[in-house]
Amino acid sequence: AQKVTQAQTEISVVEKEDVTLDCVYETRDTTYYLFWYKQPPSGELVFLIRRNSFDEQNEISGRYSWNFQKSTSSFNFTITASQVVDSAVYFCALSDQERDDKIIFGKGTRLHILP
Amino acid sequence: DTEVTQTPKHLVMGMTNKKSLKCEQHMGHRAMYWYKQKAKKPPELMFVYSYEKLSINESVPSRFSPECPNSSLLNLHLHALQPEDSALYLCASSTGTGYRTDTQYFGPGTRLTVL
Repeated sequence: AQKVTQAQTEISVVEKEDVTLDCVYETRDTTYYLFWYKQPPSGELVFLIRRNSFDEQNEISGRYSWNFQKSTSSFNFTITASQVVDSAVYFCALSDQERDDKIIFGKGTRLHILP
Repeated sequence: DTEVTQTPKHLVMGMTNKKSLKCEQHMGHRAMYWYKQKAKKPPELMFVYSYEKLSINESVPSRFSPECPNSSLLNLHLHALQPEDSALYLCASSTGTGYRTDTQYFGPGTRLTVL
């Protein structure tokens, strides 16, 4: 069965600290896609990244970086020098192995950045 | 431009009312989605339209009725809702290529309260 596990329900860090959000997934597919979304208090889900299972290079975008480890089925997300505006719920998601128009969300990690 | 718009932002309705939620995108996407999100939970897929045809209905009660009048518009008609239907309703769209899982881009959502 497919599954996305975000074991950290809630994390609080002080501004300027680095923080890593964990995502572990299960799938039988050999080709699959992984996503991260940010949901600030306003409610909109903001797309952050989409990663193909064949591309194991780590990705960096400004203060955001992603570490894809196929061997451990993990796709972790790190925010460097966190800011108050990073406070949000972050969802990791996995493409459904039966349908290409479905994604499976993890339960989300609520991140609080304290000033 | 990766914008999906939704109206209204907030909606309060009684259990006997009929109302509609509207979603619009002008990215040329051919797949559109309705999700329901309860507090502190991930989004739950309700419906998917692909090339203006309903392709997924996740066993949603008939008091929710989707409609896709054209490739840019998606409506969700609401009738005889229950208080437990109160939630954030999110619309999303993707290119809908049909052979891989594309990124879904989300709108800001409609916060629905059923009294």
